Amino acid sequence: QQQVKQSPQSLIVQKGGISIINCAYENTAFDYFPWYQQFPGKGPALLIAIRPDVSEKKEGRFTISFNKSAKQFSLHIMDSQPGDSATYFCAASTASGTYKYIFGTGTRLKVLA
Amino acid sequence: GAVVSQHPSRVICKSGTSVKIECRSLDFQATTMFWYRQFPKKSLMLMATSNEGSKATYEQGVEKDKFLINHASLTLSTLTVTSAHPEDSSFYICSASDPGTGSPHEQYFGPGTRLTVT
Repeated sequence: QQQVKQSPQSLIVQKGGISIINCAYENTAFDYFPWYQQFPGKGPALLIAIRPDVSEKKEGRFTISFNKSAKQFSLHIMDSQPGDSATYFCAASTASGTYKYIFGTGTRLKVLA
Repeated sequence: GAVVSQHPSRVICKSGTSVKIECRSLDFQATTMFWYRQFPKKSLMLMATSNEGSKATYEQGVEKDKFLINHASLTLSTLTVTSAHPEDSSFYICSASDPGTGSPHEQYFGPGTRLTVT
């Protein structure tokens, strides 16, 4: 019940295309859902995050879509660029306790020039 | 703002020795810090959560006597890998949160430390 399932494991997209990464969870106590971008040998960097009281959040080319009833959320990267090639992790946390993150398994995105 | 640093960025040590990794919040006070371990091409695995001035809470399966965590101040947490062995070789990443001024949910990650045990 603590898992966050992420798909696909890897993704190849043409430059200018839309990259879509999906995550699903079981624990309805989760109330914060961030997405992180990680380049090889670097720490993760926060891209965008959402709470369950909104269905969509957009920041620049990055959009999170959230479906509370389906317990799913997704990251959309519009106009994907080669510089977006990285590994993306979704995560979830609850307001109880230490706010620790449960991370998804990661998606390796490659954007072709 | 919200910058977290780690030192060293890379370390190579001999089997049986101990190595200390520092995690610092540079421009905010971090009441809570988290330590993660990441294997190549894998996700981040939470090892422990530390709150300033109290003992760390370790995740199931993480040996607290092997991975010593200290959070003595609001800007510094250390992870000491004791009696390191080659299987401890990994990428160690810390994160910090600042619930005082920001969301308690939001974690700011350090750049990571690559540990290689020979």
